[in-house]
Amino acid sequence: QKEVEQDPGPLSVPEGAIVSLNCTYSNSAFQYFMWYRQYSRKGPELLMYTYSSGNKEDGRFTAQVDKSSKYISLFIRDSQPSDSATYLCATGGDSNYQLIWGAGTKLIIKP
Amino acid sequence: DGGITQSPKYLFRKEGQNVTLSCEQNLNHDAMYWYRQDPGQGLRLIYYSQIVNDFQKGDIAEGYSVSREKKESFPLTVTSAQKNPTAFYLCASSWDSENQPQHFGDGTRLSIL
Repeated sequence: QKEVEQDPGPLSVPEGAIVSLNCTYSNSAFQYFMWYRQYSRKGPELLMYTYSSGNKEDGRFTAQVDKSSKYISLFIRDSQPSDSATYLCATGGDSNYQLIWGAGTKLIIKP
Repeated sequence: DGGITQSPKYLFRKEGQNVTLSCEQNLNHDAMYWYRQDPGQGLRLIYYSQIVNDFQKGDIAEGYSVSREKKESFPLTVTSAQKNPTAFYLCASSWDSENQPQHFGDGTRLSIL
């Protein structure tokens, strides 16, 4: 079992829809959770960084962490074609200096 | 503008040849990282460095080497011992290596001639 599981997609939704992207993780010691957006042939760009459980909102993006079920989510409201990208989740905090990465979900927003 | 610069953007390697990928950052970050990205596999850590003149192997270090002679520079050499080097290579940095968010360059795509 991988330490972080993420559905690779692709996930295709119409413009304006609410998008839900998800990851599950196995190590209950993980405390830090991040979402990155990666456009084709570019490096990942940090979108959201959260610590422990709860929600964090930034514009159209909301990150949610449920440590009891080891489940993290990224919601995108009023999705735009420019949101089409691969979204990577990452986590850490088990006293190891490395981040553990999901494989990424490819998102396609149809105009 | 602060950021991470990777060069070249595209690189071709001949059989038996070593090639070096450049990574420079002007964010004053302490830690730097090299990842390999293959389709459908996410990011795999090759090497990381927390301070100058020190670095540690990641999950897939075989066939690669690094140096950290300056805080802002962390070059990666793909040696001829790496039999499947075709991939997208990403360099990242962070304030320190304990679970801080990492900031990435735009990658180098390495292919075999």
